Amino acid sequence: KQEVTQIPAALSVPEGENLVLNCSFTDSAIYNLQWFRQDPGKGLTSLLLIQSSQREQTSGRLNASLDKSSGRSTLYIAASQPGDSATYLCAVETSGSRLTFGEGTQLTVNP
Amino acid sequence: NAGVTQTPKFRVLKTGQSMTLLCAQDMNHEYMYWYRQDPGMGLRLIHYSVGEGTTAKGEVPDGYNVSRLKKQNFLLGLESAAPSQTSVYFCASSYEINQPQHFGDGTRLSIL
Repeated sequence: KQEVTQIPAALSVPEGENLVLNCSFTDSAIYNLQWFRQDPGKGLTSLLLIQSSQREQTSGRLNASLDKSSGRSTLYIAASQPGDSATYLCAVETSGSRLTFGEGTQLTVNP
Repeated sequence: NAGVTQTPKFRVLKTGQSMTLLCAQDMNHEYMYWYRQDPGMGLRLIHYSVGEGTTAKGEVPDGYNVSRLKKQNFLLGLESAAPSQTSVYFCASSYEINQPQHFGDGTRLSIL
C-alpha cells in the first residue's frame, strides 16, 4: 500500500526566506507526483505536477524535484511572502488515476 | 470560470438520515473523484469515475454510493448517515490520467 509522508508538519519562517518542504513515498511505481496548496476552508489548488520520467518542474518562485528511485520529492519556495501561508500537500498518482496524499505541511510566513 | 462546484457547502444530518452531495464540472473532464478529508488522516479517495456511466471504488468506499449519469456531474450518496462520516468532502476532476486534478471548495458535513 502506498504511503506518503510529509516533513515537517508545520513550518514558520520570516518573510523573504527560501524554504524546502519534503515529501516521501513508499512505492516508486507512480505516474506522477503533484504538489497542491490548500488555504483554510478552501479546496486544493494544483501547483506543480512532475511526471515519473521528469526530475523537476518550475513555476515562478516554486521548484519541485522528484527522485523516484529513492521515493522523495522536495518543494522549494524562493523569497517567501506572507501570501504563501497555507498548507502544502503532496500526492502521488498510481494506477487507476488514484491519488494518495500526505497529511501536509502547514506553512506560516511572518511579515 | 466555475471549474468544480460542490453543493451544498454545509450540512448537518442526524444519524440514519440520507443525503446526496452534488459535484458539477464545466471543463469537459472525463475523470471525477470524491475524497474525504479528516484530521490526522489526510485526504482519502472514496469513489471515482473514469467517464460517463462508470464508477469505481477508492480507498474508503463503505457507506457511500455514487453515480455518474452525465459527464459533468458526479453524485455522492449517503444512504444511512453515521457519525463516522462527519468530514469535509471534496470533489475533483481531471481531463485524463496523468493530468492535474481540479478541486471544489468542499462540503462540510456533520452527523449528529
